[in-house]
This record gives sequence, structure tokens and C-alpha cells, in this order.
Amino acid sequence: GAGVSQSPRYKVTKRGQDVALRCDPISGHVSLYWYRQALGQGPEFLTYFNYEAQQDKSGLPNDRFSAERPEGSISTLTIQRTEQRDSAMYRCASSLVSLAAYNEQFFGPGTRLTVL
Amino acid sequence: TQLLEQSPQFLSIQEGENLTVYCNSSSVFSSLQWYRQEPGEGPVLLVTVVTGGEVKKLKRLTFQFGDARKDSSLHITAAQPGDTGLYLCAGGYNFNKFYFGSGTKLNVKP
Repeated sequence: GAGVSQSPRYKVTKRGQDVALRCDPISGHVSLYWYRQALGQGPEFLTYFNYEAQQDKSGLPNDRFSAERPEGSISTLTIQRTEQRDSAMYRCASSLVSLAAYNEQFFGPGTRLTVL
Repeated sequence: TQLLEQSPQFLSIQEGENLTVYCNSSSVFSSLQWYRQEPGEGPVLLVTVVTGGEVKKLKRLTFQFGDARKDSSLHITAAQPGDTGLYLCAGGYNFNKFYFGSGTKLNVKP
């Protein structure tokens, strides 16, 4: 079956522009996570949803970052007024169940964001 | 500051050697996961441990969760070039929020 997909795969933007990154989770997966990953480092937690409810957004760096999952499926991570320090790989993951001991996250291929 | 510290950061060994990588924290986790990530790909789950002292084996890989659920280790026996990759541990809070370590980059030379 289809895995987690993300679009665009690559995004180059100019400083000050807004960007929207899309994540399409595995069908039926309850939980959806957003991470940011620097090259050669582990993913950094940003936020997560159970169904359409945003459960925790404590990892969002500042108020220029926001995320939504209005129908409990596709999610969008929006970065307003982008800055060069926002350049990174943004990864999405989904999992079938919530609050389960063996909660396996399936990761998407990521969106490489470059802010010039 | 990383919540989870992994060591070593880099490891380059010959095929057939054994190795252990470590994941340490001062925090207690409800679960601890190990992932392997290859260049250009997302992390792929290897194992989840949830009970203090738990040991799980996956072919040549042995995972252990510390008694206090603060640390974990991954031991690989007779490493093969196909084991090359970035190994990440992730500590889970309430099974739903995960913090990843900085990773151990393993290179197994044929």
C-alpha cells in the first residue's frame, strides 16, 4: 500500500515568503507528527495530531510556524515570513494508533526547504 | 541541549566485528524506540521496548532497555556492510510524543 507522502519534495524560497508543506499520511492512521531534521542529526519534534486535534505544539520554534489537520487526514505545516535559519528537512510521520505502547511511526520522504 | 545522548557519534568498523551503541538520558520514558536511517530516506523502526530491563533480539541485533527506563543499548554481532546507516534512538512520553537522539553514524567496511 502507499506510504506517507510529502509535497513538495524540494522547496526553494526567498526570505520573507510564506511556505506550505503538505503531508498525506497512510490511510486510516490516527496520529500524525511533524519533525525537522538537520543533516546527520535526529529528527526534532515539532507537533503532533490525533485525528484533527493538535495535541502538542510545544516543539514549534516560534509563532511563524503553524500546522493544521482539518479533516483528520492530510496535514499542512505553514511557515510565515521564512528566514534562512528555517532551512532544513521537514519530515512527517504517521502511526496507526494513539497512546499505544508499540506506536510505530512511518516516516515520509521529507521536504527539503531552502530559504535564500 | 539534546534530551537523549547517543554514543559514539561515529563508528567505522570492519565486516564481522561486533559493536555496541548507547542511548542515555536523565529522563524516564514510557517507551524507547530504535530506528535506522539510510541517506535520503526517512527513519525506519527497528524495535520498541517498554519494560525496564527488557531485552529484544532481532537477528544479529540485540536491544536492551535500562532498568530505570532512562537508557538503552543496541548491540550488533558480526556487522555486515548492509548494517551501514544512521542509528537513532527515540524516547517516548505517553507513547505519543517522541524525542530523538542525535544518532550514531555506522560505517561497516567490507
